[in-house]
Amino acid sequence: GAGVSQTPSNKVTEKGKYVELRCDPISGHTALYWYRQSLGQGPEFLIYFQGTGAADDSGLPNDRFFAVRPEGSVSTLKIQRTERGDSAVYLCASSPSTGVTEAFFGQGTRLTVV
Amino acid sequence: GNSVTQMEGPVTLSEEAFLTINCTYTATGYPSLFWYVQYPGEGLQLLLKATKADDKGSNKGFEATYRKETTSFHLEKGSVQVSDSAVYFCALSRSNFGNEKLTFGTGTRLTIIP
Repeated sequence: GAGVSQTPSNKVTEKGKYVELRCDPISGHTALYWYRQSLGQGPEFLIYFQGTGAADDSGLPNDRFFAVRPEGSVSTLKIQRTERGDSAVYLCASSPSTGVTEAFFGQGTRLTVV
Repeated sequence: GNSVTQMEGPVTLSEEAFLTINCTYTATGYPSLFWYVQYPGEGLQLLLKATKADDKGSNKGFEATYRKETTSFHLEKGSVQVSDSAVYFCALSRSNFGNEKLTFGTGTRLTIIP
């Protein structure tokens, strides 16, 4: 596709449930990022993939959060035992791996935990 | 750690007014600095960037100068238009590579009235 695609665009789940959020990066981009944006805040870094491996997962808030990118393209952010505090917009971005370049963002998935 | 402090919003201006949105940062080393913009219903997109001290980034009539002595990267535009209405985020990364993880400010919502 032309840009970074995130699905679903909206997700409502009950407290305690498991959710998966999908990111389809721009074709050929080897770097992929997940950010979380709470209401009234700027995006906060969660995890960065270079290819298939997580190069930096220092932003994951706790062990309920996990992300994978098994084939170096599509990534899934997984949240176990969701809590109301997990409600936010989850943003994905991708970029080419080399050079001074920018990250291209998707439109995000709005997660609401009720 | 790294942090970005951004001018509180919202900001409302009349068309053709002069715009300044303040941004200051705290970082070790020599970060790169960015302004991202989020138009209604769209994903974050890079507006401009500067990778070293005294560099000026510019795009779409917007400018920002990397001031190491004051640790600032204020966004300016001489004559705003209604189409500039959006949320603006100041951000930094630790290196020259814009595809490194970004630390964002809280965002400033700008509304331009005709």
